[in-house]
Amino acid sequence: RKEVEQDPGPFNVPEGATVAFNCTYSNSASQSFFWYRQDCRKEPKLLMSVYSSGNEDGRFTAQLNRASQYISLLIRDSKLSDSATYLCASFRGYQAGTALIFGKGTTLSVSS
Amino acid sequence: GAVVSQHPSRVICKSGTSVKIECRSLDFQATTMFWYRQFPKQSLMLMATSNEGSKATYEQGVEKDKFLINHASLTLSTLTVTSAHPEDSSFYICSAPDPKSTDTQYFGPGTRLTVL
Repeated sequence: RKEVEQDPGPFNVPEGATVAFNCTYSNSASQSFFWYRQDCRKEPKLLMSVYSSGNEDGRFTAQLNRASQYISLLIRDSKLSDSATYLCASFRGYQAGTALIFGKGTTLSVSS
Repeated sequence: GAVVSQHPSRVICKSGTSVKIECRSLDFQATTMFWYRQFPKQSLMLMATSNEGSKATYEQGVEKDKFLINHASLTLSTLTVTSAHPEDSSFYICSAPDPKSTDTQYFGPGTRLTVL
């Protein structure tokens, strides 16, 4: 089983739609989780860290469910500029500063 | 903020040649750096952990004799793809953890390698 698994999509949604991505992880000891955004031919950029209590940043909400070992990202009121690939990630080891392990990425395409 | 640079950003080479990719932390020291590879429409796959002053740690399935990693200083790690073949064509990205913020990792802009 892969360490981090993610539905690759693609998700094709109209502007204004709400879209949710999920990601499951296999290492129950993992402590830190993240959502990254990657544009074509660019490096990934941190979108949000994911906390047990859930966290929200504008139109973006991330949640962690430790019991079921999955994390989610909700994007509300999708914009054209949200079109990108979204990758979930967790640290390989128990400590931060170890390698990040990424899911396969979910491609989002927002159309007008 | 902290920046990680990579050089070159793009390289095209002939099959059988070797290519060196540099990863530099510009305003912080990195005792550890990570190398990833990304094929088209695939995720970033961890190749190896580069350790300053010691041997790199390679992921299963990554040939250490083909992908030579040298972490010669606290700000520089190099990845050399030896005897490159067309199947080595990929996007190579390095990252380094922020020594001040354990949850933060800085990624280089990536190097696109095309082997003809």
